[in-house]
Parts: sequence; structure tokens; C-alpha cells
Amino acid sequence: SAVISQKPSRDICQRGTSLTIQCQVDSQVTMMFWYRQQPGQSLTLIATANQGSEATYESGFVIDKFPISRPNLTFSTLTVSNMSPEDSSIYLCSVEVQRQRNTEAFFGQGTRLTVV
Amino acid sequence: QKEVEQDPGPLSVPEGAIVSLNCTYSNSAFQYFMWYRQYSRKGPELLMYTYSSGNKEDGRFTAQVDKSSKYISLFIRDSQPSDSATYLCAMSERSGGYQKVTFGTGTKLQVIP
Repeated sequence: SAVISQKPSRDICQRGTSLTIQCQVDSQVTMMFWYRQQPGQSLTLIATANQGSEATYESGFVIDKFPISRPNLTFSTLTVSNMSPEDSSIYLCSVEVQRQRNTEAFFGQGTRLTVV
Repeated sequence: QKEVEQDPGPLSVPEGAIVSLNCTYSNSAFQYFMWYRQYSRKGPELLMYTYSSGNKEDGRFTAQVDKSSKYISLFIRDSQPSDSATYLCAMSERSGGYQKVTFGTGTKLQVIP
């Protein structure tokens, strides 16, 4: 298994500011994933982050708005930039652990962001 | 059309009832099928996974996959108040060297004592 520590757990931010969310894993993993979970909607993948390379963003998400760092195999950050109320959401960090017959995804507790 | 459809509920049942949670999907490339449970203010945790059509049982939980109908289900027997949570179905396909996971919107379940 993988234990993921994500912080902050929640924050209330002013519009126009930026927030950096940290994700620490207790083991080395190749890929880390950042998701957004908006009320009443499914988890949506923002980007995947490989150590030592640029993050790969999903359609609708751009690096200028959600810059990601991946300095080593156990840590990643996601920044939500120039925030607006529409960015109010839960942001989740995830890693995949390869099992014999499947890949299991583990999630952090999430960061509940409210933009006012 | 969304790739994964899930009834958001809420679903309210009495303690001891059998709960049936369902999802449909449209992407034939999905290989693995999973159910996650998410308690309030927590991240999702994996309950069950399967990769083939048929049933898989784990304690009070049974996951069912019908690939021909593109339909998956999670059954909870003898439901308990502690089962009250949001249940998300998830499906994954191989994409760019990793398993890309697509989630349903989640069904909120409340088990009433």
C-alpha cells in the first residue's frame, strides 16, 4: 500500500491569490496524479506528474493555471494560481501501485479549497 | 454522453438492507473496474476491484461486472450505519504507460439505524 500525506487539508483563499498543495508519499512512486473533485461531480484528472519531466495535463487544464512540481519520487506540489470562486473544490493527490493483476490507486485525504 | 454514468442518489436504506449500487459505461477499452468508498472529508479508498465479467465477493461486498452490457454493480449485504458514505465506481484503461482512471460521480448512501 501507499500512505499519502496531503496538506493543507483545507484553506479559504482570496480571489486572485495562489495556493500550493503538497503531497508526500511514504514510498517511491513513478507517477503521481492530481485530481479535482467538484461538488456533485466525479473526480477529474488534472495532470500526471513524472519525476524529472514536465507534467502532462488533461484537456481543459493548463500549466499556467495549475503548475506542478515533482522534484523527487516521493513528493509533488500542485499550485492553483490566480484563484477564482470557480476553483473552489477538493483537490486530491493520487499514486498508483502495481499489483500482480491490476494497478491500485491510493489517494490523499484531499485539500478542500474555498475561494472567496 | 459521459464515459461513466452513476446515479448520484442519495440512497437511504434501513440497517440490514441489501444495497445495490450501479454504473454504466461506454468505453470498451476499460480493463479494470473498481469501487471506492469515500467518507465525508476523506479521500477515496479502494473497496474492490475486478478485471473480468462475473462476480467477486469480499465479506459483505459483492462486485459484479457485465462487460457485454457495460454495466457494473456493487452489492452490500446486511448494510450497517458505518457503510454510510459516498461510493464511486471507477474504471481504468492503459494510457501512456499508466492506468488512466475514470470515475463516476458517486452515489451517496445513508444507512439508517
